[in-house]
Amino acid sequence: GAGVSQSPSNKVTEKGKDVELRCDPISGHTALYWYRQSLGQGLEFLIYFQGNSAPDKSGLPSDRFSAERTGGSVSTLTIQRTQQEDSAVYLCASRDYDEQFFGPGTRLTVL
Amino acid sequence: GENVEQHPSTLSVQEGDSAVIKCTYSDSASNYFPWYKQELGKRPQLIIDIRSNVGEKKDQRIAVTLNKTAKHFSLHITETQPEDSAVYFCAANGRNTDKLIFGTGTRLQVFP
Repeated sequence: GAGVSQSPSNKVTEKGKDVELRCDPISGHTALYWYRQSLGQGLEFLIYFQGNSAPDKSGLPSDRFSAERTGGSVSTLTIQRTQQEDSAVYLCASRDYDEQFFGPGTRLTVL
Repeated sequence: GENVEQHPSTLSVQEGDSAVIKCTYSDSASNYFPWYKQELGKRPQLIIDIRSNVGEKKDQRIAVTLNKTAKHFSLHITETQPEDSAVYFCAANGRNTDKLIFGTGTRLQVFP
């Protein structure tokens, strides 16, 4: 079946612009996560959605970052007024039971 | 706060040798410990996981051990092959949550 998909695969933007990153989880998965992975670094947790519960936003690095999940399925991560330090790969994952299934990521480059 | 430490950061082994990667976690309430493999330019994929009600789990050449008292767990790869070369991440779930806290990763290189 279809896995987790993300779009765009690459995004180049200018400093100060807003960007939206999209995640389509595996159908039926109630949990959805966003992570950030800087070059050669680990997986930094950003935000977690579980069903209809309030999201766990404890990993968002600043108020420029926000995310929503509509209808319990697709999620959008928005970064406002992008900065160069926002450049990274943004990974989305959805979970069924224990295992988190990752998407291919969106590589964001802020010039 | 919750923390997972992972060592070593890089590991080079000869093909056929064993590789061991170790992680420690801070929250005694953690009860789920997965390991992910990330090949260059690809997404992380689960290779093995263990829950706190068992001390060891094995899947062919891969095994994970858990010491709850010491709050550490390890990944063991035997008879390594060049295709095992990748970055490996350990993780532990946070207190009363399904959120995973990841270690910083180990870059494993297997030389033929």
